[in-house]
Amino acid sequence: ETGVTQSPTHLIKTRGQQVTLRCSSQSGHNTVSWYQQALGQGPQFIFQYYREEENGRGNFPPRFSGLQFPNYSSELNVNALELDDSALYLCASSRGLTGSDTEAFFGQGTRLTVV
Amino acid sequence: LAKTTQPISMDSYEGQEVNITCSHNNIATNDYITWYQQFPSQGPRFIIQGYKTKVTNEVASLFIPADRKSSTLSLPRVSLSDTAVYYCLHSGAGSYQLTFGKGTKLSVIP
Repeated sequence: ETGVTQSPTHLIKTRGQQVTLRCSSQSGHNTVSWYQQALGQGPQFIFQYYREEENGRGNFPPRFSGLQFPNYSSELNVNALELDDSALYLCASSRGLTGSDTEAFFGQGTRLTVV
Repeated sequence: LAKTTQPISMDSYEGQEVNITCSHNNIATNDYITWYQQFPSQGPRFIIQGYKTKVTNEVASLFIPADRKSSTLSLPRVSLSDTAVYYCLHSGAGSYQLTFGKGTKLSVIP
């Protein structure tokens, strides 16, 4: 157990709809990152939040947006869902910015299916 | 982006030592090398991290040669529960993202 919890665990949405995924980070962690993992691929970085500010973004369109709250929990919002958005969405928290010599703790993920 | 190259898959019998080598020719001076393990339908889990020479913890060892252009994850006496995908990454301070490749799928056979 990493202490990072994501909800829901599974979700089915229709193309064109909007979805919100949630993540509670581990106690004491102020950085949250979101990743998308398609079947058979490694996780792909979406964006990172550090102390409630977006700190970096991967190659994802603006319909992917996020928030980080004062308690360091986070949301990932995806608008206008497309079939290719079907994937495992992973949240990772860390004490400090990931990418340096800092361990990232991942949640179990949310499996999103778009039909 | 920090690109790494690993074998796509490996098979091993229970009880054997497994070595997975990763190439990272464009590693920067400040980058650390990190390995993650991922089971199906779960998030990746940190295994080990190092900068140079050798690092050992309770689950694995990490060998990094002097030029740091490759690294080898060593898993001693694997069991069936070590069947997973193993990812090699490198990143440094100022880099806000972890860049995952496709990883190495390790299958442990009874």
